[in-house]
Amino acid sequence: GAVVSQHPSRVICKSGTSVKIECRSLDFQATTMFWYRQFPKKSLMLMATSNEGSKATYEQGVEKDKFLINHASLTLSTLTVTSAHPEDSSFYICSASSAAHGLAKNIQYFGAGTRLSVL
Amino acid sequence: KQEVTQIPAALSVPEGENLVLNCSFTDSAIYNLQWFRQDPGKGLTSLLLIQSSQREQTSGRLNASLDKSSGRSTLYIAASQPGDSATYLCAVSNDYKLSFGAGTTVTVRA
Repeated sequence: GAVVSQHPSRVICKSGTSVKIECRSLDFQATTMFWYRQFPKKSLMLMATSNEGSKATYEQGVEKDKFLINHASLTLSTLTVTSAHPEDSSFYICSASSAAHGLAKNIQYFGAGTRLSVL
Repeated sequence: KQEVTQIPAALSVPEGENLVLNCSFTDSAIYNLQWFRQDPGKGLTSLLLIQSSQREQTSGRLNASLDKSSGRSTLYIAASQPGDSATYLCAVSNDYKLSFGAGTTVTVRA
């Protein structure tokens, strides 16, 4: 149980285009989803936290107009990188947690990540 | 702000040797601590989760200890194998947010 699917696993795009990454909880309702970014040989940095039906909370230094997050349902959150540039190239990972019975609120279940390369 | 440090950054050992990976954190008011494994270009695989009230967790050859008061955790991997080669990340949970260390990259030589 507690499976999180992230799609696509890899995307290559041209500079100036927008890219959407999906994060789905397959077998539970995710009341909260998290988006992380990882630079090569670096740790995961939290970008934003989103709760279903409300606006995402962005971490300091993360441009909310650049990284649009939508959490429209209890099983789906999307991250859209708008007008992508080479410096946005990175590994993006989502996670999900649930306040539902049977899943601890403070445990996050991770997707497999998306490698974004902007040319 | 929670700061998580992992030492060493990299480790290379011959097959069969035991591994000791260290993690330290600055804010002891944590909900839990997790150890993850990450293979190159891949996502995270959860290895062990220790709740704040626990002192250790074991799974097969893996054992993780937690000393919340001193802000430390240690991951032990017994009898290492080449398949254990990966980056190991430590993450602590405060207020439902996870703070990650930079990881220890382990190479087990056959």
